[in-house]
Amino acid sequence: DAGVIQSPRHEVTEMGQEVTLRCKPISGHNSLFWYRQTMMRGLELLIYFNNNVPIDDSGMPEDRFSAKMPNASFSTLKIQPSEPRDSAVYFCASRGTGGQSYGYTFGSGTRLTVV
Amino acid sequence: DAKTTQPNSMESNEEEPVHLPCNHSTISGTDYIHWYRQLPSQGPEYVIHGLTSNVNNRMASLAIAEDRKSSTLILHRATLRDAAVYYCILRDRGSQGNLIFGKGTKLSVKP
Repeated sequence: DAGVIQSPRHEVTEMGQEVTLRCKPISGHNSLFWYRQTMMRGLELLIYFNNNVPIDDSGMPEDRFSAKMPNASFSTLKIQPSEPRDSAVYFCASRGTGGQSYGYTFGSGTRLTVV
Repeated sequence: DAKTTQPNSMESNEEEPVHLPCNHSTISGTDYIHWYRQLPSQGPEYVIHGLTSNVNNRMASLAIAEDRKSSTLILHRATLRDAAVYYCILRDRGSQGNLIFGKGTKLSVKP
Protein backbone atom coordinates (compact mmCIF):
# COMPACT_ATOMS: atom_id res chain seq x y z
CA ASP A 1 0.00 0.00 0.00
CA ALA A 2 1.30 3.46 -0.90
CA GLY A 3 -0.12 4.99 2.24
CA VAL A 4 -2.00 8.27 2.37
CA ILE A 5 -1.06 10.33 -0.67
CA GLN A 6 -1.16 14.11 -0.60
CA SER A 7 -0.55 16.54 -3.41
CA PRO A 8 1.10 18.83 -4.02
CA ARG A 9 4.00 18.47 -1.58
CA HIS A 10 4.71 22.19 -1.76
CA GLU A 11 2.55 25.07 -2.86
CA VAL A 12 3.47 28.71 -3.11
CA THR A 13 0.70 31.09 -4.01
CA GLU A 14 -0.11 34.76 -3.88
CA MET A 15 -2.54 36.22 -1.43
CA GLY A 16 -6.06 36.14 -2.78
CA GLN A 17 -5.58 33.10 -4.96
CA GLU A 18 -7.53 29.86 -4.61
CA VAL A 19 -5.60 26.88 -3.29
CA THR A 20 -6.71 23.25 -3.51
CA LEU A 21 -5.01 20.51 -1.55
CA ARG A 22 -5.66 16.89 -2.40
CA CYS A 23 -5.66 13.66 -0.48
CA LYS A 24 -6.04 10.00 -1.37
CA PRO A 25 -6.67 7.88 1.75
CA ILE A 26 -5.66 4.28 2.21
CA SER A 27 -8.02 1.97 0.38
CA GLY A 28 -10.60 0.55 2.76
CA HIS A 29 -10.21 3.26 5.39
CA ASN A 30 -13.54 4.87 6.15
CA SER A 31 -12.45 7.94 8.12
CA LEU A 32 -10.47 10.88 6.78
CA PHE A 33 -9.02 13.80 8.68
CA TRP A 34 -7.50 17.13 7.69
CA TYR A 35 -4.99 18.71 10.10
CA ARG A 36 -2.98 21.91 9.95
CA GLN A 37 0.37 22.41 11.67
CA THR A 38 2.09 25.66 12.52
CA MET A 39 4.86 26.50 14.95
CA MET A 40 2.53 28.64 17.01
CA ARG A 41 -0.49 26.38 17.24
CA GLY A 42 0.91 22.90 16.67
CA LEU A 43 -1.31 20.27 15.05
CA GLU A 44 -4.94 21.31 14.77
CA LEU A 45 -7.80 19.25 13.45
CA LEU A 46 -9.73 21.10 10.76
CA ILE A 47 -12.40 18.60 9.71
CA TYR A 48 -13.05 14.90 9.56
CA PHE A 49 -15.24 12.60 7.50
CA ASN A 50 -16.74 9.21 8.23
CA ASN A 51 -17.89 7.25 5.18
CA ASN A 52 -17.46 10.37 3.03
CA VAL A 53 -19.77 12.42 5.25
CA PRO A 54 -18.38 15.45 7.11
CA ILE A 55 -18.86 14.83 10.83
CA ASP A 56 -17.14 17.73 12.55
CA ASP A 57 -15.91 20.87 10.83
CA SER A 58 -15.66 23.00 13.95
CA GLY A 59 -11.92 23.34 13.43
CA MET A 60 -12.25 25.00 10.04
CA PRO A 61 -10.93 28.52 10.65
CA GLU A 62 -13.49 30.43 8.63
CA ASP A 63 -15.65 30.38 5.55
CA ARG A 64 -12.65 30.69 3.29
CA PHE A 65 -11.92 27.03 4.04
CA SER A 66 -13.98 24.20 2.58
CA ALA A 67 -13.47 20.46 2.31
CA LYS A 68 -15.13 17.80 0.25
CA MET A 69 -14.99 14.05 -0.02
CA PRO A 70 -16.86 13.09 -3.20
CA ASN A 71 -15.93 9.42 -2.86
CA ALA A 72 -14.04 7.05 -0.61
CA SER A 73 -10.76 7.53 -2.42
CA PHE A 74 -10.44 11.28 -2.70
CA SER A 75 -10.76 14.45 -0.64
CA THR A 76 -9.94 18.09 -1.20
CA LEU A 77 -9.31 21.03 1.08
CA LYS A 78 -9.85 24.38 -0.59
CA ILE A 79 -8.89 27.84 0.59
CA GLN A 80 -10.45 30.74 -1.25
CA PRO A 81 -9.18 33.42 -1.04
CA SER A 82 -5.87 32.49 0.56
CA GLU A 83 -4.11 34.76 3.07
CA PRO A 84 -0.55 34.80 4.41
CA ARG A 85 -1.74 33.51 7.80
CA ASP A 86 -2.88 30.30 6.06
CA SER A 87 0.77 29.37 5.53
CA ALA A 88 1.27 26.03 7.26
CA VAL A 89 1.76 22.34 6.65
CA TYR A 90 -1.54 20.60 5.95
CA PHE A 91 -1.80 16.90 6.75
CA CYS A 92 -4.38 14.40 5.68
CA ALA A 93 -4.87 11.20 7.66
CA SER A 94 -7.08 8.16 7.31
CA ARG A 95 -8.20 5.43 9.66
CA GLY A 96 -9.85 2.09 9.15
CA THR A 97 -12.76 0.51 10.95
CA GLY A 98 -12.41 -1.31 14.22
CA GLY A 99 -12.64 1.58 16.66
CA GLN A 100 -9.47 1.79 18.67
CA SER A 101 -7.86 -1.12 16.90
CA TYR A 102 -6.46 0.89 14.05
CA GLY A 103 -4.02 3.76 14.21
CA TYR A 104 -4.25 6.81 12.06
CA THR A 105 -2.04 6.92 8.99
CA PHE A 106 -0.86 10.36 7.99
CA GLY A 107 0.31 11.60 4.64
CA SER A 108 3.55 13.49 4.15
CA GLY A 109 1.77 16.80 4.13
CA THR A 110 1.47 19.81 1.86
CA ARG A 111 3.58 22.80 2.79
CA LEU A 112 1.59 25.89 1.83
CA THR A 113 3.19 29.31 1.59
CA VAL A 114 0.98 32.29 0.84
CA VAL A 115 2.92 35.43 -0.07
CA ASP B 1 -11.00 13.99 25.83
CA ALA B 2 -8.90 14.24 28.98
CA LYS B 3 -5.65 16.17 28.96
CA THR B 4 -2.10 14.82 29.03
CA THR B 5 1.11 16.39 30.35
CA GLN B 6 4.51 15.62 28.86
CA PRO B 7 7.97 17.14 29.30
CA ASN B 8 8.82 19.58 26.54
CA SER B 9 12.08 17.87 25.67
CA MET B 10 14.34 14.96 26.55
CA GLU B 11 17.77 13.80 25.53
CA SER B 12 19.09 10.32 25.10
CA ASN B 13 22.25 8.62 24.00
CA GLU B 14 22.24 6.30 21.05
CA GLU B 15 21.69 2.62 21.85
CA GLU B 16 20.44 3.39 25.33
CA PRO B 17 16.84 2.90 26.51
CA VAL B 18 14.55 5.90 26.60
CA HIS B 19 11.58 6.32 28.92
CA LEU B 20 9.13 9.01 27.81
CA PRO B 21 6.63 9.87 30.56
CA CYS B 22 3.05 11.05 30.22
CA ASN B 23 0.71 12.14 32.99
CA HIS B 24 -3.03 11.88 32.52
CA SER B 25 -4.52 12.20 35.98
CA THR B 26 -8.06 12.87 34.70
CA ILE B 27 -8.20 9.80 32.47
CA SER B 28 -11.57 8.09 32.35
CA GLY B 29 -12.20 4.37 32.41
CA THR B 30 -12.93 4.28 28.69
CA ASP B 31 -9.94 6.32 27.51
CA TYR B 32 -7.29 4.57 25.49
CA ILE B 33 -3.72 5.86 25.66
CA HIS B 34 -2.22 6.47 22.24
CA TRP B 35 1.34 7.39 21.29
CA TYR B 36 2.33 8.94 18.01
CA ARG B 37 5.60 10.41 16.90
CA GLN B 38 6.54 12.93 14.25
CA LEU B 39 9.93 12.76 12.63
CA PRO B 40 11.32 15.95 11.09
CA SER B 41 9.50 17.02 7.94
CA GLN B 42 7.08 14.08 8.13
CA GLY B 43 3.53 13.48 9.22
CA PRO B 44 2.77 11.91 12.60
CA GLU B 45 3.23 8.16 12.82
CA TYR B 46 1.35 5.71 15.03
CA VAL B 47 3.56 4.07 17.63
CA ILE B 48 1.44 2.14 20.11
CA HIS B 49 -1.71 2.27 22.18
CA GLY B 50 -3.17 0.55 25.22
CA LEU B 51 -5.98 0.58 27.75
CA THR B 52 -4.87 -1.08 30.99
CA SER B 53 -2.21 -3.69 30.36
CA ASN B 54 1.32 -3.06 29.21
CA VAL B 55 1.76 -3.41 25.47
CA ASN B 56 4.68 -4.31 23.26
CA ASN B 57 5.18 -4.03 19.53
CA ARG B 58 8.11 -3.85 17.16
CA MET B 59 8.55 -0.14 17.71
CA ALA B 60 8.20 0.30 21.45
CA SER B 61 6.65 -0.76 24.73
CA LEU B 62 3.93 1.02 26.65
CA ALA B 63 3.92 0.75 30.42
CA ILE B 64 0.67 1.87 32.05
CA ALA B 65 0.49 2.64 35.75
CA GLU B 66 -1.89 0.56 37.80
CA ASP B 67 -4.13 3.57 38.48
CA ARG B 68 -3.81 4.57 34.81
CA LYS B 69 -2.97 8.14 35.74
CA SER B 70 0.36 7.93 33.99
CA SER B 71 2.12 5.93 31.31
CA THR B 72 5.59 5.56 29.88
CA LEU B 73 6.64 4.94 26.32
CA ILE B 74 9.80 2.86 26.26
CA LEU B 75 12.21 2.77 23.36
CA HIS B 76 14.50 -0.10 24.20
CA ARG B 77 17.51 1.05 22.20
CA ALA B 78 17.36 4.56 20.86
CA THR B 79 18.74 5.21 17.41
CA LEU B 80 19.37 8.50 15.67
CA ARG B 81 16.24 7.83 13.62
CA ASP B 82 14.16 7.91 16.80
CA ALA B 83 14.76 11.65 17.17
CA ALA B 84 11.25 13.05 16.89
CA VAL B 85 8.40 14.70 18.75
CA TYR B 86 6.44 12.10 20.71
CA TYR B 87 2.78 12.72 21.45
CA CYS B 88 0.76 11.05 24.19
CA ILE B 89 -2.97 11.27 23.43
CA LEU B 90 -6.09 10.03 25.19
CA ARG B 91 -9.01 8.94 23.12
CA ASP B 92 -12.32 7.62 24.38
CA ARG B 93 -13.09 4.03 23.43
CA GLY B 94 -16.46 5.03 22.10
CA SER B 95 -15.19 7.98 20.14
CA GLN B 96 -15.58 7.91 16.41
CA GLY B 97 -13.67 11.09 16.07
CA ASN B 98 -10.39 12.63 16.05
CA LEU B 99 -7.02 12.70 17.75
CA ILE B 100 -6.24 15.89 19.65
CA PHE B 101 -2.51 16.58 19.67
CA GLY B 102 -0.76 18.47 22.45
CA LYS B 103 2.77 19.83 22.29
CA GLY B 104 4.48 16.48 22.83
CA THR B 105 8.04 15.73 23.92
CA LYS B 106 10.89 16.50 21.58
CA LEU B 107 13.40 13.68 21.87
CA SER B 108 16.99 14.30 20.86
CA VAL B 109 19.34 11.35 20.41
CA LYS B 110 23.07 11.90 20.70
CA PRO B 111 25.54 9.63 18.93
